[in-house]
Amino acid sequence: NAGVTQTPKFQVLKTGQSMTLQCAQDMNHEYMSWYRQDPGMGLRLIHYSVGAGITDQGEVPNGYNVSRSTTEDFPLRLLSAAPSQTSVYFCASQPGHNTGVGAFFGQGTRLTVV
Amino acid sequence: QQQVKQSPQSLIVQKGGISIINCAYENTAFDYFPWYQQFPGKGPALLIAIRPDVSEKKEGRFTISFNKSAKQFSLHIMDSQPGDSATYFCAASSGGGTYKYIFGTGTRLKVLA
Repeated sequence: NAGVTQTPKFQVLKTGQSMTLQCAQDMNHEYMSWYRQDPGMGLRLIHYSVGAGITDQGEVPNGYNVSRSTTEDFPLRLLSAAPSQTSVYFCASQPGHNTGVGAFFGQGTRLTVV
Repeated sequence: QQQVKQSPQSLIVQKGGISIINCAYENTAFDYFPWYQQFPGKGPALLIAIRPDVSEKKEGRFTISFNKSAKQFSLHIMDSQPGDSATYFCAASSGGGTYKYIFGTGTRLKVLA
């Protein structure tokens, strides 16, 4: 089982460029989410999805878009990259509500915006 | 009210000692409190979790103590080992353990050999 797979692992963007961070899970989990991790700030929720076709905003959604066309995939799009989006991004998946099982995280994508 | 406050920011413990990390929350709707362990360059991994209907949960050398009235919970690592050196995050969520976690700011633990 691969678990949660994120690509790419590293990326450098110029200000104003757009890109998509990929996330795929092979555990048939209902819930998927994107977090960003910044020094001294823990992980903050960007967007989440409770199933295919359903997404919603988290704590810090500005500048990011998501979609969920399949159970397996949950890409995160940066529309016009800004230096403030320099961060480590983690995708997570979870079986569903009240299962008593926590979130499984991917290995992360380290993004630098110059 | 959505914050989870974690302390200390960093911790150095001798091998065999006890590591203690504390977290406090305000939102009484939180009903699931996991701890995550993260090694450099890796994603967080679930270590242990507790619900507010119990005051303590133990898994091996790791124990969560939960004080509902004080709205505080803590992670105790007994017999700390150099391999435990990592960053630890507490988190909280509502609605039976959902995807919407509020994370603490993390504690960097170093266990000296």
